[in-house]
Amino acid sequence: QKEVEQDPGPLSVPEGAIVSLNCTYSNSAFQYFMWYRQYSRKGPELLMYTYSSGNKEDGRFTAQVDKSSKYISLFIRDSQPSDSATYLCAFSTASKLTFGTGTRLQVTL
Amino acid sequence: DAGVIQSPRHEVTEMGQEVTLRCKPISGHDYLFWYRQTMMRGLELLIYFNNNVPIDDSGMPEDRFSAKMPNASFSTLKIQPSEPRDSAVYFCASSSNRGGLYEQFFGPGTRLTVL
Repeated sequence: QKEVEQDPGPLSVPEGAIVSLNCTYSNSAFQYFMWYRQYSRKGPELLMYTYSSGNKEDGRFTAQVDKSSKYISLFIRDSQPSDSATYLCAFSTASKLTFGTGTRLQVTL
Repeated sequence: DAGVIQSPRHEVTEMGQEVTLRCKPISGHDYLFWYRQTMMRGLELLIYFNNNVPIDDSGMPEDRFSAKMPNASFSTLKIQPSEPRDSAVYFCASSSNRGGLYEQFFGPGTRLTVL
């Protein structure tokens, strides 16, 4: 079993839709739960992070962690064409990160 | 700060040639990471350094790959000899500890094509 599983997509949604991106993990030692966003031909950038189970909101973005199920989600409300990118979940053990393979999202007009 | 700087941005070389990728981390960061990204395998950690010392090189695919960090502001990743299967985007990232969170800042990447 892989440490992190993420559906690669691609996922295509119309502008204004709610998007749900998900990852499962197997390592109970992971400490921080992160979402990175990667635009085409750019490096990944940290979008959101959480430490504990529950929800964390930042504008149109909500990160959700369920440690009991080893499942994390990123929700995007009112999706915009500028949200088109690859979203990678990431999990930390101290200084080291383990990444999912990324889900490619396309938001169409 | 200019962020993480990588050079070259693109490299096209022939099989068997030596390739050297360069990275300048963000000033003050004490961790430096080298990743390789492909469609098939996603983002793979190759090696990382703490205070210029290699900590974990278990992701380096084979002896053809080597990495150095001679000082806090410079690191290289070398492939010798290069092979077509090394074609990928190579990212350098740096980080430091902010209250237990080690946010990694990525450079723009080097797109390597080995013919």
